[in-house]
Parts: sequence; structure tokens; C-alpha cells
Amino acid sequence: EAGVAQSPRYKIIEKRQSVAFWCNPISGHATLYWYQQILGQGPKLLIQFQNNGVVDDSQLPKDRFSAERLKGVDSTLKIQPAKLEDSAVYLCASVRQGTSGTYEQYFGPGTRLTVT
Amino acid sequence: DAKTTQPNSMESNEEEPVHLPCNHSTISGTDYIHWYRQLPSQGPEYVIHGLTSNVNNRMASLAIAEDRKSSTLILHRATLRDAAVYYCIRGVMNRDDKIIFGKGTRLHILP
Repeated sequence: EAGVAQSPRYKIIEKRQSVAFWCNPISGHATLYWYQQILGQGPKLLIQFQNNGVVDDSQLPKDRFSAERLKGVDSTLKIQPAKLEDSAVYLCASVRQGTSGTYEQYFGPGTRLTVT
Repeated sequence: DAKTTQPNSMESNEEEPVHLPCNHSTISGTDYIHWYRQLPSQGPEYVIHGLTSNVNNRMASLAIAEDRKSSTLILHRATLRDAAVYYCIRGVMNRDDKIIFGKGTRLHILP
């Protein structure tokens, strides 16, 4: 089974520029998450999708961040314009039901963003 | 609020067992306890979960206190590849439940 794919792996931009990240979840996983992980901290949830609908975007800074999952499969996360404090690793995860009935998240390798 | 408490860091020698503690004193009766770990430069990966009974899988064992207010992740024979940040998380029973990560425990393995 192929894992969660993300691209690019690394991105360096200047502040006020825009950037987009792409995620391809595991086939058949309807639920998809985007997380932001600042150095030294645990991942922080930004947005949750169920198929192509947004379930929770309460932690997404909507003045500059946007995300979409148009066909319920791939997803993109965009930042426009970027700020220095957006430097972080952006993780995508999809969800599968485990054998005991609980749900396990599968994470991609992340995109490391550096804003200069 | 992660609602779990873990030590910031721990050290262990290679090929020895490692016991990673987690306190979750406000856990509800229906909350599962999940452990994820994050290897360097990778996304987190699922390790193990449990509700009341101790659990074993190929990666680790999970020992849950009788009152469920604490648990311990046990790596039976640590290798250098087990060096990672380990996150203890409560909840995550349903598809829409969210994982709230704390800072986790950074485990250092000494050769």
C-alpha cells in the first residue's frame, strides 16, 4: 500500500510571496488533515476534510491560508502572502479505521517551508 | 490542550528496554490511549493504542494503569532507529476525532 505523498519536500520563499503544497492521501481514505509543525513543537491541526468537504478549519488563519480538496482525493494548501512565522513543516495525514474500530492516522513526510 | 503529560526527554542504552511514561489523569472512560512517534525528518507514525488492557504489537507494548490515569509505552529492546519523539495522545475513537499533539518525549538512544 502506497503511503501519503507530499510535494515539494522543501521550499524556500521570501516573505510576502505565495506558496502551495500538494498532498495525495492513501487510496480510499476519505478523511484528510493538514498540520503545521513548528520546530520543537508537536504538529498543530490546521484543517480537516471529509471527502471534498471541510469538517473543521477553526485553526486555519484564513486571511492568508487556504486549502481545497476538489475531487475528494488530492489536496492543496496555499499560503498567500507568507510571513516569517509561517516557517514550519506542513504535514498531511489521512485516516484509516484500525482492526479494533479506532482510527489511525497515516502521515506524509511533510514539506519544510522556510520564509526569509 | 494535549491533556497528557510526558517528560521532555529520555535517554536509554541500545539493546535495553525503554519505558516511556505518560500521565492522563483527566481521561474519560471512553478515551483510548494512542502513541505515535516521529523519526527525524519524517511525519508521525502510529505505534500502538489501548483502552483498558495491556496491549502488545510488533513495535511495542502498552501498559495501562488500573485507574487509567497513566500509561507506559515499552520498547523491549531499543535500537538506534528508535530514536524519535514519542507522543502520547488520548481520544481518537471516531473518524472525526482530532489528534491533539503535545510536545512529546524526545528519546535518545546511546550506542
